[in-house]
Amino acid sequence: ILNVEQSPQSLHVQEGDSTNFTCSFPSSNFYALHWYRWETAKSPEALFVMTLNGDEKKKGRISATLNTKEGYSYLYIKGSQPEDSATYLCAPPEDYGQNFVFGPGTRLSVLP
Amino acid sequence: NAGVTQTPKFQVLKTGQSMTLQCAQDMNHEYMSWYRQDPGMGLRLIHYSVGAGITDQGEVPNGYNVSRSTTEDFPLRLLSAAPSQTSVYFCASSSPNMNTEAFFGQGTRLTVV
Repeated sequence: ILNVEQSPQSLHVQEGDSTNFTCSFPSSNFYALHWYRWETAKSPEALFVMTLNGDEKKKGRISATLNTKEGYSYLYIKGSQPEDSATYLCAPPEDYGQNFVFGPGTRLSVLP
Repeated sequence: NAGVTQTPKFQVLKTGQSMTLQCAQDMNHEYMSWYRQDPGMGLRLIHYSVGAGITDQGEVPNGYNVSRSTTEDFPLRLLSAAPSQTSVYFCASSSPNMNTEAFFGQGTRLTVV
């Protein structure tokens, strides 16, 4: 089972602040990395699927970078809004399929 | 546009009871899986299926059974509920390729007393 870590565990920011958090994963045998956004009482939703070293993805105010050689990915949120409050999960698959190993998540709270 | 539908959303069981969590998807996805989510831990894979008639164990399969008789449905059975199975359960479906996103149901919050 892969060891996937996320930091920080939780984060409180003011509306308008920019923030970032980290996902660390084994750099050997890298296949892909998924980021999911999980709001309370809802189902996790995919943000990004990252596959190449140096890959950078962007969706609105949220972006993510990937370093497969050192085994980490950063998720950035620019100008946080209260609706960004959620738990952000990263998950590399164990192999070429869809058996994910999820990190414990970073819980973001954006205060108005 | 249903996506992945899980039922029930909430359930309380007594120790030793059995039950089935239902999961259905309407996206014709080959791959379906069940995860459990416990406080402070990531989602952990219980069982998965790569197609009708094919199932396999994930990281934490003990105490659970699955079957996949159709592409659409992937029920999870708790054989004899234990307090350690108190958790939030998520069903997910996707294409089998690692580069495609997974779609999750809304979860079932199960409490075993």
